[in-house]
Amino acid sequence: QTVVTQESSFSVSPGGTVTLTCALSSGSVSTRNYPSWYQQTPGQSPRTLIYTTNIRSSGVPDRFSGSILGSKAALTITGAQADDESEYYCLLYMGSGISVFGGGTKVTVL
Amino acid sequence: EVQLVESGGGLVQPGGSLRLSCAASGFTVTNYWMHWVRQAPGKGLVWVACINSDESTINYADSVKGRFTISRDNAKNTVFLQMNNLRGEDTAVYYCAREFNSGSYWGQGTLVAVSS
Repeated sequence: QTVVTQESSFSVSPGGTVTLTCALSSGSVSTRNYPSWYQQTPGQSPRTLIYTTNIRSSGVPDRFSGSILGSKAALTITGAQADDESEYYCLLYMGSGISVFGGGTKVTVL
Repeated sequence: EVQLVESGGGLVQPGGSLRLSCAASGFTVTNYWMHWVRQAPGKGLVWVACINSDESTINYADSVKGRFTISRDNAKNTVFLQMNNLRGEDTAVYYCAREFNSGSYWGQGTLVAVSS
């Protein structure tokens, strides 16, 4: 059973930088996992931020960036703003269409 | 404009069945992987099932395998999720999503509540 792990929460100051990570229970995350990242606020559908490791979805500000850092996928928010306060989920592709979400990271901006 | 509209949710007793629909517009479902994702109240996102563009690959999360079936009606440009033998832990908002690897689109979700 593949488990994808994210930090449970992060706090960042307005204008600050935060990096969220996404790890596999067995092995390293690579570009072959096509990491993607989603932002969700309460009562709303997820919004796609990043797909295929580092491609920003249409309309997503460039303060959001994706990468592979060591053995993990990463989402960096540079110059955090108040409306970045949300839950963030990563998704990893495991092959044959099967994908696994991480448990989500709650980001607080204060 | 790409749109996904889910429907078919509701209250059902344990052991019952429901069929969810995801009506697509602005694109053709036969050209993309389509997925169902669910979110239990206050919990995280969980991938449920997928169907690829030519229906040669269909897969399910272990938690729903043997109980849920994903299918498509190409003429109606609609994807379905047939859910049988429902359990309390299936209570969630169910989202339909288009292809994660190319900037996915999501529907607004439909709520399924399993309770006696």
